[in-house]
Amino acid sequence: SQTIHQWPATLVQPVGSPLSLECTVEGTSNPNLYWYRQAAGRGLQLLFYSVGIGQISSEVPQNLSASRPQDRQFILSSKKLLLSDSGFYLCACYRGTNYGYTFGSGTRLTVV
Amino acid sequence: KNEVEQSPQNLTAQEGEFITINCSYSVGISALHWLQQHPGGGIVSLFMLSSGKKKHGRLIATINIQEKHSSLHITASHPRDSAVYTCAVRLGSSNTGKLIFGQGTTLQVKP
Repeated sequence: SQTIHQWPATLVQPVGSPLSLECTVEGTSNPNLYWYRQAAGRGLQLLFYSVGIGQISSEVPQNLSASRPQDRQFILSSKKLLLSDSGFYLCACYRGTNYGYTFGSGTRLTVV
Repeated sequence: KNEVEQSPQNLTAQEGEFITINCSYSVGISALHWLQQHPGGGIVSLFMLSSGKKKHGRLIATINIQEKHSSLHITASHPRDSAVYTCAVRLGSSNTGKLIFGQGTTLQVKP
């Protein structure tokens, strides 16, 4: 079965510092991968998705970027964090209707 | 207006009570998911529905495609059911598998 490793679980970073969140998938190949963010009081919102290595689609304009250097690795980055980047970040994997979705444990980011 | 709306946002119940969480959506979907997240825990998929009804233990999920509405029911609730419950829909027109999430319902079951 699919497993997602996402780290760290919590992170406190100063404004202006860089960010790198990593998500790795086990137990499957060629999955669709997603980064979602949940701001306070709102539902999870799709930030980026990837259907293959090096293929990134952005859903909303923002201060963040994503990369997929390997089939089962998805990275969320920022060069300079803003206060508004605070939130809960979730990595997810989709491998078709037979396998459904698998979710990471999430990262709670606080920018101070 | 959000494309996926859940109600209530917060729910407190006494142990043993029957609980219903509702989810309405305004887009065409190919499937609807109910997710659970315990405090400090990861997100777990409870159900994936495209029609009808599914049951797993004390949890029941129903969907009415015509009315664009789904409900999650918990029978004989227990304090360990305390968690955030979220519905998420997969767009019918999307082949990328991306989900649109509701805001979540925070459930607390008191002993």
